[in-house]
Amino acid sequence: DTAVSQTPKYLVTQMGNDKSIKCEQNLGHDTMYWYKQDSKKFLKIMFSYNNKELIINETVPNRFSPKSPDKAHLNLHINSLELGDSAVYFCASSQDHRWGYTFGSGTRLTVV
Amino acid sequence: TQLLEQSPQFLSIQEGENLTVYCNSSSVFSSLQWYRQEPGEGPVLLVTVVTGGEVKKLKRLTFQFGDARKDSSLHITAAQPGDTGLYLCAGAHTGTASKLTFGTGTRLQVTL
Repeated sequence: DTAVSQTPKYLVTQMGNDKSIKCEQNLGHDTMYWYKQDSKKFLKIMFSYNNKELIINETVPNRFSPKSPDKAHLNLHINSLELGDSAVYFCASSQDHRWGYTFGSGTRLTVV
Repeated sequence: TQLLEQSPQFLSIQEGENLTVYCNSSSVFSSLQWYRQEPGEGPVLLVTVVTGGEVKKLKRLTFQFGDARKDSSLHITAAQPGDTGLYLCAGAHTGTASKLTFGTGTRLQVTL
């Protein structure tokens, strides 16, 4: 009964490929997020959806396309992967961001 | 960009010692949160502080929100090896942007 679950946990792929990461939450939260954590452990927001509607898009390349089929799911599709996309990607959800997020356990993406 | 600077970046101490981690910004936040992240996992929320000057205690951890709601500190008394991890502060923005900005992180190692 994991609250926020992401799949896969690890993803190793070649440059130029297209890949997807899936995220699901069973907390009934209205808002979901994608964050990228770089090698220095800095967490930077990429996208946020509220009830399936995109509300935050933080200057992320067009190769990244989030999709939210319903408020419990937020997937991330990445086209034409580049070496610089290697990072850990975290999905999170909240009912009110002022009271905190619940994070998934992350997806470590390695582009070779 | 509203940055949250944490200090120190790294801290290696022995079991039983006390420590304080600082989180500073020039911006005002509607709330401030502290998370702990362990290797291979997502950040886990420890506490949220909302009111300027607020102090919260969680067993051996004491959290304080600055009077002006721009900074915070985390004090650990009698550190234990189980306290080892990456500590992240996060500020909730005022206004309509429903997101958190995360601090630069403090990596704590507690040895026997």
